[in-house]
Amino acid sequence: QVLLVQSGAEVKKPGASVRVSCKASGYTFTSYALHWVRQAPGQRLEWMGWINGGNGNTKHSEKFQGRVTITRDKSASAAYMELSSLRSEDTAVYYCVRVVNSVMDVWGQGTTVTVSS
Amino acid sequence: DIQVTQSPASLSASVGDRVTITCRTSQSITKYLNWFQQKPGKVPELLIYEASNLQSGVPSRFSGSGSGTDFTLTISSLQPEDFATYYCLQSYSTLWTFGQGTKVEIK
Repeated sequence: QVLLVQSGAEVKKPGASVRVSCKASGYTFTSYALHWVRQAPGQRLEWMGWINGGNGNTKHSEKFQGRVTITRDKSASAAYMELSSLRSEDTAVYYCVRVVNSVMDVWGQGTTVTVSS
Repeated sequence: DIQVTQSPASLSASVGDRVTITCRTSQSITKYLNWFQQKPGKVPELLIYEASNLQSGVPSRFSGSGSGTDFTLTISSLQPEDFATYYCLQSYSTLWTFGQGTKVEIK
């Protein structure tokens, strides 16, 4: 059974950074990409970026240029999304999602990040 | 980035109605358009991939069509459990984009 288990909720102050982890199980981690999606309260889904589980190559939305870093640890079958210079608008639920042949087929449970002074 | 325009933003419909939601992209994405359903507080669920392929386990009243820049999600006979928000997602380019979402409400 394919599972993506994310780290717990975070509360951060404006200007800080947050790192969300996503641990994969039930499949060969290096065979597929993991994408990151977020959703602010009452707002639309927003695609953030992705990482190739095998070679570690990444791409991210231009909206997050310079603020987002996506990494992976093959030995731990885990991916990480770090967002820096946090502001209130970054308050959202952050999801990791497995992608197979351009299809988002398995989602993590989501991690709530709250940015508040 | 490829822009995705989804319409309408919301609609009211009755059980049994036929419902259509559209997505238009700023350039051709061939067949790489996916549809998701999301209920409040829940993780999105994949309905349709590659424009017209029904994900395993999804009821056959859901269907997708289109190619190039214009795509449609159709629910042939709306059921009570279908009241939710629907999103399209283009997965053609290296940078993906969701539509704005369509909230389907009870009339």
